[in-house]
Amino acid sequence: KAGVTQTPRYLIKTRGQQVTLSCSPISGHRSVSWYQQTPGQGLQFLFEYFSETQRNKGNFPGRFSGRQFSNSRSEMNVSTLELGDSALYLCASSFEPNTEAFFGQGTRLTVV
Amino acid sequence: KNEVEQSPQNLTAQEGEFITINCSYSVGISALHWLQQHPGGGIVSLFMLSSGKKKHGRLIATINIQEKHSSLHITASHPRDSAVYICAVVTYNTDKLIFGTGTRLQVFP
Repeated sequence: KAGVTQTPRYLIKTRGQQVTLSCSPISGHRSVSWYQQTPGQGLQFLFEYFSETQRNKGNFPGRFSGRQFSNSRSEMNVSTLELGDSALYLCASSFEPNTEAFFGQGTRLTVV
Repeated sequence: KNEVEQSPQNLTAQEGEFITINCSYSVGISALHWLQQHPGGGIVSLFMLSSGKKKHGRLIATINIQEKHSSLHITASHPRDSAVYICAVVTYNTDKLIFGTGTRLQVFP
C-alpha cells in the first residue's frame, strides 16, 4: 500500500511568485491535513480537508489556501510568496478526522 | 507561554537507558499525539491517545487528563531511537492541532 506522496520534494521560488504543492493520500483515506514547519515556529497547522470540504483552518493569512479533489488528493497554494514562507510543508492523511495520521516526506520550499 | 510545553528540549542517553519525555498542555483536548521526526523531515505517528496508557514495542505513552500531562517512555533505548519527538494536542472545541516544540533525543552506543 503506497504511503502519502508529496510533490515536489524540493522547490525554489522567488518573492512575489505563487506556488502549488500536491499531496496524494493513502488509498481510502478521505482526510488530508497540511502543516508548516520552520526552525523558528516549529510545526504549525495550516488546514484540514475531509470529503472535499475544508474542515478546519489554522492561523495563517489568506495567501495560504488549499483544496481537495473528489479522489481525496489535495493541493495547497501560497500566493505572493514571502521570504518567511520558506519552510518544510508536510501533509498527512487519515481515514477520517481524528484517526491515526500518516505523514508524507514533505516539500521543502525555499523562497529567495 | 506556549499552550503545549515539552521537556526536556534536548536529551542525551546511553544505549539501554530508560527515557522519559514529558508534555504538558493548558487547553482542553480531545486527543493527544506523539510523533517522531527523523533527520530529513519524515514524521511518523507513534501514538494517539485520549486516556490511560498505550504500548507499542519499547514505547509507552501515558496521559493524565486531570493533570493535563502526558509522558512518552522508551525502554532499552537504542541509537536508532535518535530523533525529535513531538507532542501535539487536538483542541476540544475546535479540533485544531497544536504542537509542542519537540524534544531532541540522541542515544549513543
